[in-house]
Amino acid sequence: EAQVTQNPRYLITVTGKKLTVTCSQNMNHEYMSWYRQDPGLGLRQIYYSMNVEVTDKGDVPEGYKVSRKEKRNFPLILESPSPNQTSLYFCASSPLTANTGELFFGEGSRLTVL
Amino acid sequence: QKEVEQNSGPLSVPEGAIASLNCTYSDRGSQSFFWYRQYSGKSPELIMSIYSNGDKEDGRFTAQLNKASQYVSLLIRDSQPSDSATYLCAVNMRSYGQNFVFGPGTRLSVLP
Repeated sequence: EAQVTQNPRYLITVTGKKLTVTCSQNMNHEYMSWYRQDPGLGLRQIYYSMNVEVTDKGDVPEGYKVSRKEKRNFPLILESPSPNQTSLYFCASSPLTANTGELFFGEGSRLTVL
Repeated sequence: QKEVEQNSGPLSVPEGAIASLNCTYSDRGSQSFFWYRQYSGKSPELIMSIYSNGDKEDGRFTAQLNKASQYVSLLIRDSQPSDSATYLCAVNMRSYGQNFVFGPGTRLSVLP
């Protein structure tokens, strides 16, 4: 089954404790992206990647890191989480075929930072 | 500027009516446009994609695109209570490096 898989789905952590949210897709998509969603603010892009070893900042990259060592994986790293990073996070991928290609989303990871 | 705007909600329509959702975008070079439906706490799911000016119909859904006006809309005919959700307009802004930008969403309530 074609899918984007995120883990963990739910996480409660404390300020300053490094954490990684994994994202994996099995559709051989070049493009992958991370979004956070907060009430009233919609989906905001954190980082995106056009291909292996190519990553770019989105609109809200502060406090986050990513890597794209393999095509299928795009982990999101919070080196020192803070309470303002409490949010619902979505990973997404896209084939970006010519001018087309919609985003396929993972199920989301709800993160709480105390 | 990367901006996608949607008509403010919430939008309430009676069951069986037509729901009309609107979206405008800032990047004139954009070529790909999408409507996603999102239920509370769930991931967005694709409803429609549209790439050319004009109308595109899929069942009860019709997407309309006018690139000259930088406007895209979604019509839902014969609205059902199960259509109650937040609808997100997304634009692939190629001028900003294949950047998918989302609007804030419009919450739709279909009243039985």
